[in-house]
Amino acid sequence: NAGVTQTPKFQVLKTGQSMTLQCAQDMNHEYMSWYRQDPGMGLRLIHYSVGAGITDQGEVPNGYNVSRSTTEDFPLRLLSAAPSQTSVYFCASSIAGGVGGDTQYFGPGTRLTVL
Amino acid sequence: DAKTTQPPSMDCAEGRAANLPCNHSTISGNEYVYWYRQIHSQGPQYIIHGLKNNETNEMASLIITEDRKSSTLILPHATLRDTAVYYCIALRSVKGGSQGNLIFGKGTKLSVKP
Repeated sequence: NAGVTQTPKFQVLKTGQSMTLQCAQDMNHEYMSWYRQDPGMGLRLIHYSVGAGITDQGEVPNGYNVSRSTTEDFPLRLLSAAPSQTSVYFCASSIAGGVGGDTQYFGPGTRLTVL
Repeated sequence: DAKTTQPPSMDCAEGRAANLPCNHSTISGNEYVYWYRQIHSQGPQYIIHGLKNNETNEMASLIITEDRKSSTLILPHATLRDTAVYYCIALRSVKGGSQGNLIFGKGTKLSVKP
């Protein structure tokens, strides 16, 4: 199993540009989520999905869109990039999102800089 | 949602036990205590979790007080590779369902020194 994979590893955008961060998992996990981590801070939840076709907002959803058309993939879209979105983005997945003591697996992260 | 409190930093000598405390005085009866760590900006890595009883796995031990208001993560023989930020998290349920989203604080930066 490759686990949770994220592409690209690094990205530089100009203000106003749009892009999609890719996340995929090969563990047949129902639950997937996106976090962002700013320097010196903990991770903050952006969006999450409890299964294909179902998504919901986390703590900091503004400026981001998600969709979940398959179990394996959970892309994160930046509609119009802003310097405040400069951050490291982590994708995570788990069997059932923590129910009954489930654990989450994290990808290696995408480092995004918006100029 | 239970909030957790951790010291911002700790040092530990290589080969000694690292004891990382966490306070979660408002934790509810059905909330788990989870520990994750993050090594040098990599993705967080699961360590261990528990509800009421003490737990042990190949990485660490988790000691939860009887009143569940605090816990301690124990790395029995710390190595330089254990240098990381350690997060103590009380799992909460999201609206409308029983799934849980991890709420990360700033964690404890553990430095293992030779």
